[in-house]
Amino acid sequence: AQSVTQPDIHITVSEGASLELRCNYSYGATPYLFWYVQSPGQGLQLLLKYFSGDTLVQGIKGFEAEFKRSQSSFNLRKPSVHWSDAAEYFCAVGAQGGGADGLTFGKGTHLIIQP
Amino acid sequence: DTAVSQTPKYLVTQMGNDKSIKCEQNLGHDTMYWYKQDSKKFLKIMFSYNNKELIINETVPNRFSPKSPDKAHLNLHINSLELGDSAVYFCASSHTGLGGYTFGSGTRLTVV
Repeated sequence: AQSVTQPDIHITVSEGASLELRCNYSYGATPYLFWYVQSPGQGLQLLLKYFSGDTLVQGIKGFEAEFKRSQSSFNLRKPSVHWSDAAEYFCAVGAQGGGADGLTFGKGTHLIIQP
Repeated sequence: DTAVSQTPKYLVTQMGNDKSIKCEQNLGHDTMYWYKQDSKKFLKIMFSYNNKELIINETVPNRFSPKSPDKAHLNLHINSLELGDSAVYFCASSHTGLGGYTFGSGTRLTVV
């Protein structure tokens, strides 16, 4: 069965500091990996996705993620966070598109930005 | 605008009632899903449906039933609502073998 682990429930970062959110996955086939962000009371916005090719993926809002097959990881990074980045971040694994299983999500990491 | 749209955005109802949440996508996707986000923000798939096959997560009570009048719609009907059904429900769609998944903005269901 596929699964995603986000080991950090909460992370606090100062504005302007760098950020790394961890994600580890378990998936039987070639993993397709996603990061979503959810602001309070809002829906899910796709930050970036990895299907194949270059293991360093660029996303929106200055985020990037690196796929490391040997470590079964897909960590999200940003060089300098802004107060507007405060939100819940979800890593997910699934088929490239379609498929009965859809996406399996991690439990999320709540990002707090200190002034 | 191309999107996945859900209605209503908020739904407050009493225990024991029956309610429906509607979902429509105009992206031409062939698979649609319902996810439940609980009070701890955990997202879990409830159903997937692609015109040919409905896959039900075995943990979903049979009070929940998806109904798809056509390829672009997947509505969620809930019978005999319980307090524990209070959650945010997200509809999503995708296309087999292509791209990612697009989510609706969610429906916050509160059962009182």
